[in-house]
Amino acid sequence: GAGVSQSPSNKVTEKGKDVELRCDPISGHTALYWYRQSLGQGLEFLIYFQGNSAPDKSGLPSDRFSAERTGGSVSTLTIQRTQQEDSAVYLCASSLAHRVSYEQYFGPGTRLTVT
Amino acid sequence: KNEVEQSPQNLTAQEGEFITINCSYSVGISALHWLQQHPGGGIVSLFMLSSGKKKHGRLIATINIQEKHSSLHITASHPRDSAVYICAVRGENNNDMRFGAGTRLTVKP
Repeated sequence: GAGVSQSPSNKVTEKGKDVELRCDPISGHTALYWYRQSLGQGLEFLIYFQGNSAPDKSGLPSDRFSAERTGGSVSTLTIQRTQQEDSAVYLCASSLAHRVSYEQYFGPGTRLTVT
Repeated sequence: KNEVEQSPQNLTAQEGEFITINCSYSVGISALHWLQQHPGGGIVSLFMLSSGKKKHGRLIATINIQEKHSSLHITASHPRDSAVYICAVRGENNNDMRFGAGTRLTVKP
């Protein structure tokens, strides 16, 4: 079946512009996660959604970052007034539910470059 | 000090060798994940474990909760195993994930 998909695969934007990154989770997966991988650094948790519950935003690096999940499926990560330090690969993952016993499936990522 | 430490950072092996990658963590966890990131960037979840040992093909993962340590073993390594292997722990509140810096494995034919 189809895996997690993300779009765009690459995005180049000018400093100060807003960007939207999209994630389509695996059908039926109620949990959705966003991560960031900066160049030369490890993965960093940003935010997760479980069903219709309020998201856990504890990992978002600043208030310029926000995320929505419409209808419990597609999610959009929005970065306002982008800065060069926002350049990274943004990864989305989904799982059947937000439970320890469920595996996460990762999308291919969106490579964001802020010039 | 990072909450999740992996060793070694880089590892080069000859095809057929037995590989061990270690992960130590300093926080309470609900689960530990081993991930594989291919050169193209795609990430695959290899194992998720909260106790004991799991085996999948040539891969074995163990965890010692008391010692806060996990190992990933690859038997009969092959060049296609070349990738970055990442250890990640899920906190006791089952919310956030913390990641190790990864181990870059290169298996030469």
